[in-house]
Amino acid sequence: DAGITQSPRHKVTETGTPVTLRCHQTENHRYMYWYRQDPGHGLRLIHYSYGVKDTDKGEVSDGYSVSRSKTEDFLLTLESATSSQTSVYFCAISESGYPYGYTFGSGTRLTVV
Amino acid sequence: KQEVTQIPAALSVPEGENLVLNCSFTDSAIYNLQWFRQDPGKGLTSLLLIQSSQREQTSGRLNASLDKSSGRSTLYIAASQPGDSATYLCAVSLRGTSYGKLTFGQGTILTVHP
Repeated sequence: DAGITQSPRHKVTETGTPVTLRCHQTENHRYMYWYRQDPGHGLRLIHYSYGVKDTDKGEVSDGYSVSRSKTEDFLLTLESATSSQTSVYFCAISESGYPYGYTFGSGTRLTVV
Repeated sequence: KQEVTQIPAALSVPEGENLVLNCSFTDSAIYNLQWFRQDPGKGLTSLLLIQSSQREQTSGRLNASLDKSSGRSTLYIAASQPGDSATYLCAVSLRGTSYGKLTFGQGTILTVHP
């Protein structure tokens, strides 16, 4: 998607290992988000950022941490991956103000075995 | 807690038909409502954004309406085509919460067959 890229696109990891997903934007948007998408649950917010070093928890933040040291990069870390964290992870950015138009990345498919 | 429901969960129609997708939300105090399209294995593409002060938005064959008082939105697709086959998601941003966080419905899977 234009202006926002996620890496890696696919990853398989073992239970108990740390994993970091990266989101990079070129739009200079202030707000960035991490969502996960699971069958039966839809998209749920994990963490979000409203500026460099400014982050907060979303609906399903347990087991996840985030960091944002630069405007363009938002990292999501699974401290010790579990099978319940197998999911598709989407990063999104939005305009920093009403009406908050969104742009999504292409997603990272993570499998924890 | 805001809850968003989409009906139907799946819809199959012949090409050329006009169709309506429904979205309802429990808390009417919203900033905006957005409709997204998701193709299999892909990310979400923004289709339409309706601000809380607006009643509808149009883009090509798509028209979205918003009735805040009843907590409903509809996405109307005119003259459907096989290329419209995808999952359609609605999401709301709740007034009083910060930073544009969205609450999503679970989507309607649309199949348009030739």
